Amino acid sequence: KAGVTQTPRYLIKTRGQQVTLSCSPISGHRSVSWYQQTPGQGLQFLFEYFSETQRNKGNFPGRFSGRQFSNSRSEMNVSTLELGDSALYLCASSLAGQGGATEAFFGQGTRLTVV
Amino acid sequence: KQEVTQIPAALSVPEGENLVLNCSFTDSAIYNLQWFRQDPGKGLTSLLLIQSSQREQTSGRLNASLDKSSGRSTLYIAASQPGDSATYLCAVEGGNQFYFGTGTSLTVIP
Repeated sequence: KAGVTQTPRYLIKTRGQQVTLSCSPISGHRSVSWYQQTPGQGLQFLFEYFSETQRNKGNFPGRFSGRQFSNSRSEMNVSTLELGDSALYLCASSLAGQGGATEAFFGQGTRLTVV
Repeated sequence: KQEVTQIPAALSVPEGENLVLNCSFTDSAIYNLQWFRQDPGKGLTSLLLIQSSQREQTSGRLNASLDKSSGRSTLYIAASQPGDSATYLCAVEGGNQFYFGTGTSLTVIP
């Protein structure tokens, strides 16, 4: 079965611009979460959605936002890009969320470079 | 706040050796623990999931154990191969999110 698909794979943006990243979870998975990975900070949680509802949010500024659609696909948006937003953005999907103890599967990520 | 630590940060071993990667976490109230592998510039590949009620899981040459009371997990890799070279990440799930360790970078020398 198809895995988690993230698009685009690579992006180069200029400071001050905004960007939208997309994540299509594995069919049937209703939980989608987003992570930022940088060499200095490692993997940091951005937010998690389950059935179109944001259930948890990490410690990121309001410039980072997301949403989930009825087909479980999710998008995250970063406005007013800063150089420090350059990172690998990873999306994970799973069948259930809290307490479900189900396996999470990650996409290949979107590499965002802000210049 | 949950904190996850992985030791060692880097490991280099000759092919064929058995090895152990360590993961520790500060809050034992977890739903599950998952081990991942990451190749350079790529996403995360799930290796093993251990539910909070389980003590260990095995898949092929991999065996992971979980001791919630002491806040520890180990990933045992038997008969290592050059293709095992990657970064291994431990993640504990709680509150609808994963808390990740900083990883162990493994190099298996042919």
